[in-house]
Amino acid sequence: QAVVTQEPSLTVSPGGTVTLTCGSSTGAVTSGHYPYWFQQKPGQAPRTLIYDTSTKHSWTPARFSGSLLGDKAALTLSGAQPEDEADYYCLVSYTNAVVFGGGTKLTVL
Amino acid sequence: EVQLVESGGGLVQPGRSLRLSCAASGFTYDDYAMHWVRQAPGKGLEWVSSISWNSDKKDYADSFKGRFTISRDNSKKSLYLHMNSLRPEDTAFYYCVKGAPSGWEKWGQGSLVTVSS
Repeated sequence: QAVVTQEPSLTVSPGGTVTLTCGSSTGAVTSGHYPYWFQQKPGQAPRTLIYDTSTKHSWTPARFSGSLLGDKAALTLSGAQPEDEADYYCLVSYTNAVVFGGGTKLTVL
Repeated sequence: EVQLVESGGGLVQPGRSLRLSCAASGFTYDDYAMHWVRQAPGKGLEWVSSISWNSDKKDYADSFKGRFTISRDNSKKSLYLHMNSLRPEDTAFYYCVKGAPSGWEKWGQGSLVTVSS
């Protein structure tokens, strides 16, 4: 199966902007891969922030946005808050399978 | 309120079988696909399997084909994962997730499966 790649770790300053990316071993990630983004804090179940590239759930803070950036899916956090420190996972859909990226540990410091 | 409650986890010996259940409430269960996702302690998320609303389509990650079986009972609003030939590396939290067309709206709290002698 395909391999989905994310930055292992990133750091952002409070109030700053950071972009997390999600690539695929099969080539460019497109809207047809319906990329998802999930947030997970220690000891908690994941929650879904973004689906179908850029669609937010009602609980998704406005400072998070999803897009395609070059040949990857991207999650941009604008105006980082301390509570955004978490692990972030992307998910890419293929024919008959979905694959998670390895996750990005985001530090707000 | 949408709820997903997993059960059936626990300590199991290598080579044995286990069935996980997920009880759904607060939504029209048979309108949605469902998924199982697992997470080994301290590791990342791993998709296990998905099932369509009417059970016509079942997909599995390569690692689990032939060993795990997903099923659902819409009359009971329940999702199941039958796991055979369990290995220590199957030790993980197993989450059920409400799927399309909800945008993976809801995750359960997870059920811990520990495979050890």
